[in-house]
Amino acid sequence: AQKVTQAQTEISVVEKEDVTLDCVYETRDTTYYLFWYKQPPSGELVFLIRRNSFDEQNEISGRYSWNFQKSTSSFNFTITASQVVDSAVYFCALNTGGGNKLTFGTGTQLKVEL
Amino acid sequence: KAGVTQTPRYLIKTRGQQVTLSCSPISGHRSVSWYQQTPGQGLQFLFEYFSETQRNKGNFPGRFSGRQFSNSRSEMNVSTLELGDSALYLCASSYLAGRTDTQYFGPGTRLTVL
Repeated sequence: AQKVTQAQTEISVVEKEDVTLDCVYETRDTTYYLFWYKQPPSGELVFLIRRNSFDEQNEISGRYSWNFQKSTSSFNFTITASQVVDSAVYFCALNTGGGNKLTFGTGTQLKVEL
Repeated sequence: KAGVTQTPRYLIKTRGQQVTLSCSPISGHRSVSWYQQTPGQGLQFLFEYFSETQRNKGNFPGRFSGRQFSNSRSEMNVSTLELGDSALYLCASSYLAGRTDTQYFGPGTRLTVL
């Protein structure tokens, strides 16, 4: 069985601070895919990044960066110089089996204040 | 390209009734998945359809059903509604039905059961 754990329920930061959202996953599959989605108050899940299990290269996209470490089964997400518009719930998700079934973590509510 | 659309956006039903939700995928996408989001259970996978066939099913009772049409549009139906069915129902589409595909989500249908 697969599982995704996001231990941080809520994080509050002041604008321009850096913040890291943690994600730990469990799976016995050797091939799997990890995702991060953002859910603003409007409710729609917005895709941020996809990573496969055989590519541990870290990724940077503007103020966003992701650190994938198979040794610790973690796929952490860092926002540099946070902005108020970053306020949302962020979900980490795992796909292991055939098809498009995603197993989601419980999400981390990020609040960025002025 | 238009995103995933879901109708209606909001629904209020009473216990015992049934409801049908609709999802139109991104043009060219052939896989449609449904997820239920509640404060208590988080985001849970309901089922996935590809080429009008159900490929995966989550752990939900038979009251939850779905179908996909030849144009890839999908509907999900919940019969004999219970209070616990109150949730945000999210539809996601992807081009293929494999785990390598990224799913793009619609804005959701918020169902309230009274």
